[in-house]
Amino acid sequence: DAGVIQSPRHEVTEMGQEVTLRCKPISGHNSLFWYRQTMMRGLELLIYFNNNVPIDDSGMPEDRFSAKMPNASFSTLKIQPSEPRDSAVYFCASIGGRSYNEQFFGPGTRLTVL
Amino acid sequence: AQSVTQLGSHVSVSEGALVLLRCNYSSSVPPYLFWYVQYPNQGLQLLLKYTSAATLVKGINGFEAEFKKSETSFHLTKPSAHMSDAAEYFCAVDQNTGFQKLVFGTGTRLLVSP
Repeated sequence: DAGVIQSPRHEVTEMGQEVTLRCKPISGHNSLFWYRQTMMRGLELLIYFNNNVPIDDSGMPEDRFSAKMPNASFSTLKIQPSEPRDSAVYFCASIGGRSYNEQFFGPGTRLTVL
Repeated sequence: AQSVTQLGSHVSVSEGALVLLRCNYSSSVPPYLFWYVQYPNQGLQLLLKYTSAATLVKGINGFEAEFKKSETSFHLTKPSAHMSDAAEYFCAVDQNTGFQKLVFGTGTRLLVSP
């Protein structure tokens, strides 16, 4: 298995632009998490999906952030409009099957908003 | 709410020396506890987990951790450090929400010198 796949690995954009981050979970996993990692705030959970349905989005910082999971093999995290304070590494993780209590993380997307 | 505290943002050891990374938890219910490792420019990888079975948990790469309820601790140890152990280590606790909502500590960077 290729593991959790995230794209792009790096994104540099200007303030005000729309940013879309993508995630493909491990096949057969039915839960997906989006995290944000910064020096100041550490690792924060943004949103959690179970069977493609958003269950807990209490960590989404504000309305500029949105996430979707149209099917079991794809999820997006969108920021519109982006701001410099959104600069961070965004991770996607999935869980499921026999690995029901181990989250498998993707390599992350490093976002820089100028 | 459950939380974890990691003492020491940086720990330096010599190759071959004992590694001890500290984690204390706060939980009103029996916790599920985890240690994750993050190598540079990579996502997090599970080292080991405590899920109320044996209090001494063995993980990958020679690491182990002991759950001590009386001390509310879950410290990570390795008898002999290797250069390849240099990474950032995160302790995490499950929030007991019914899905694996983890709260991560602030992380401890392990530095290994020859």
